[in-house]
Amino acid sequence: AQRVTQPEKLLSVFKGAPVELKCNYSYSGSPELFWYVQYSRQRLQLLLRHISRESIKGFTADLNKGETSFHLKKPFAQEEDSAMYYCALGRTGRRALTFGSGTRLQVQP
Amino acid sequence: GAVVSQHPSWVICKSGTSVKIECRSLDFQATTMFWYRQFPKQSLMLMATSNEGSKATYEQGVEKDKFLINHASLTLSTLTVTSAHPEDSSFYICSARAGQSSYEQYFGPGTRLTVT
Repeated sequence: AQRVTQPEKLLSVFKGAPVELKCNYSYSGSPELFWYVQYSRQRLQLLLRHISRESIKGFTADLNKGETSFHLKKPFAQEEDSAMYYCALGRTGRRALTFGSGTRLQVQP
Repeated sequence: GAVVSQHPSWVICKSGTSVKIECRSLDFQATTMFWYRQFPKQSLMLMATSNEGSKATYEQGVEKDKFLINHASLTLSTLTVTSAHPEDSSFYICSARAGQSSYEQYFGPGTRLTVT
């Protein structure tokens, strides 16, 4: 069965501090992983996907198959990064997504 | 960009009644739409996958006779909660996908259902 684990419900950092939001997954096949973000009172939106190997808004995430992890990182947090972050695993076949429980990032001034 | 709307944004209904929630892709054709349920401070739980012109595929534990899904066109899917009970109160979110081979989903703003 597929599972996505985000161990931290809340991560609070100060502006300018590094950020790492943890995500671990379990999946028997070849995973496709995503990070979605939900800002206050806004809809869920895609932040980045592992196959793109891109950096969006300063965030990066590397897929580590050995550790079955896909942690989201940013070297210097900004106040506008405060949001709910969800890690998601792509399910083959129907191409559906399995979401983790989410981590709320609070960036304090 | 791809926009998905939901209507209504919130609804209150009495126990035993049915309520319909619409999900529309406004500027693209959605071959697949997904319906999620989100409890307060919890993650999104996939309820069902809906493909245009065919029956929806429900996740384990989701009652298909209670949560009726219709995907009649490439831009519209509806979720009808039948004989609603207070425990059906939740935040329902839809998403839409443009291509069959893509994982990328565009999410609607959600509908808050309160059953009294």
